[in-house]
Amino acid sequence: DAGVIQSPRHEVTEMGQEVTLRCKPISGHNSLFWYRQTMMRGLELLIYFNNNVPIDDSGMPEDRFSAKMPNASFSTLKIQPSEPRDSAVYFCASSFQGYNSPLHFGNGTRLTVT
Amino acid sequence: DAKTTQPTSMDCAEGRAANLPCNHSTISGNEYVYWYRQIHSQGPQYIIHGLKNNETNEMASLIITEDRKSSTLILPHATLRDTAVYYCIVTSNFGNEKLTFGTGTRLTIIP
Repeated sequence: DAGVIQSPRHEVTEMGQEVTLRCKPISGHNSLFWYRQTMMRGLELLIYFNNNVPIDDSGMPEDRFSAKMPNASFSTLKIQPSEPRDSAVYFCASSFQGYNSPLHFGNGTRLTVT
Repeated sequence: DAKTTQPTSMDCAEGRAANLPCNHSTISGNEYVYWYRQIHSQGPQYIIHGLKNNETNEMASLIITEDRKSSTLILPHATLRDTAVYYCIVTSNFGNEKLTFGTGTRLTIIP
């Protein structure tokens, strides 16, 4: 089992550009989570999918952020347009059954917006 | 509202047992205690969880007091690779209650 796979590991972009982060959850897991981590705010949940359906997107900062899960093996988090304050490490996690089972995290994407 | 209280940092000598405390005095009957850790530049890693009985796995032991108001994570023989931030999280296993990470305890293993 390769674990949760995120790409890219690092992304540097200029303000105003579109950024797309990708995640492949563990096979057989039906829940997927996107978290963001900064020094100031720690780990924050952005959005939670269950069976490819968004269940809780209350953590998505604003309309510039969107997330999709077109199938059970792939999810994207898109920021358009990006801003310097979006600089953070973005983690994807998956679990067998929502919060009823442990979350398995990827190694994150470090985003820098200049 | 923080459901848990943990020391900001701790040191432990390599080879000794690391005991990480967590207070959760407002825990309710259906809430579990979860422990995760985050090694530098990696995503959080699940360690162990429990409801009221003590639990042990290949990574650690979890000791929960009888009144469930506090718990201790024990790493029996700490190695340098155990240096990380350790998060104690209280959450219900029902519904869609968020898994909320606090600031955790930064554990440093000293050679």
